[in-house]
Amino acid sequence: ETGVTQSPTHLIKTRGQQVTLRCSSQSGHNTVSWYQQALGQGPQFIFQYYREEENGRGNFPPRFSGLQFPNYSSELNVNALELDDSALYLCASRPGGSGNTIYFGEGSWLTVV
Amino acid sequence: QKEVEQDPGPLSVPEGAIVSLNCTYSNSAFQYFMWYRQYSRKGPELLMYTYSSGNKEDGRFTAQVDKSSKYISLFIRDSQPSDSATYLCAMSAYNFNKFYFGSGTKLNVKP
Repeated sequence: ETGVTQSPTHLIKTRGQQVTLRCSSQSGHNTVSWYQQALGQGPQFIFQYYREEENGRGNFPPRFSGLQFPNYSSELNVNALELDDSALYLCASRPGGSGNTIYFGEGSWLTVV
Repeated sequence: QKEVEQDPGPLSVPEGAIVSLNCTYSNSAFQYFMWYRQYSRKGPELLMYTYSSGNKEDGRFTAQVDKSSKYISLFIRDSQPSDSATYLCAMSAYNFNKFYFGSGTKLNVKP
């Protein structure tokens, strides 16, 4: 049990729509990151938040955006959905202090049709 | 060239076999190395974490890091059908701002 919960678990959207995915992590896990995992691939880093500020971003366009809240929850927003956005979206949290690895939630499966 | 290379498999072994899973990487700044296990349609589960070079053992699992060769390995002893999953290697530099993953090796342990 990683203490990272994500919602929704599955959803289907139409191309051009917008989606919001949510994540809740344990108290004290003040770093949260989001990853996209396409079928048969490893997770790809989207961005990371530390104490509500973005402090790292991967090669994803600006239509991928996020928020982190003081209660250790966070959101991933994707605008203008494209078919290639269909993937498993993973939220990962890292403990504060000496924590130097990341713990994943079960993910949100997004299908864009 | 990808930052992390991992043979996608699939790798099929009989129950009880010793399994060797490997990754190579190109960035000498990587210092933290992890192995995750991912069952079908589930999130990755942390198996092993090591810092810098050396070996780490946890039950049937042994992780090895050779920074001079930029090569990491995960060994599974006495493999079980329940070990059938995709194994992902991951690594990070000292600042932990980004974790780089391999594409995963799919393992099938046959009873």
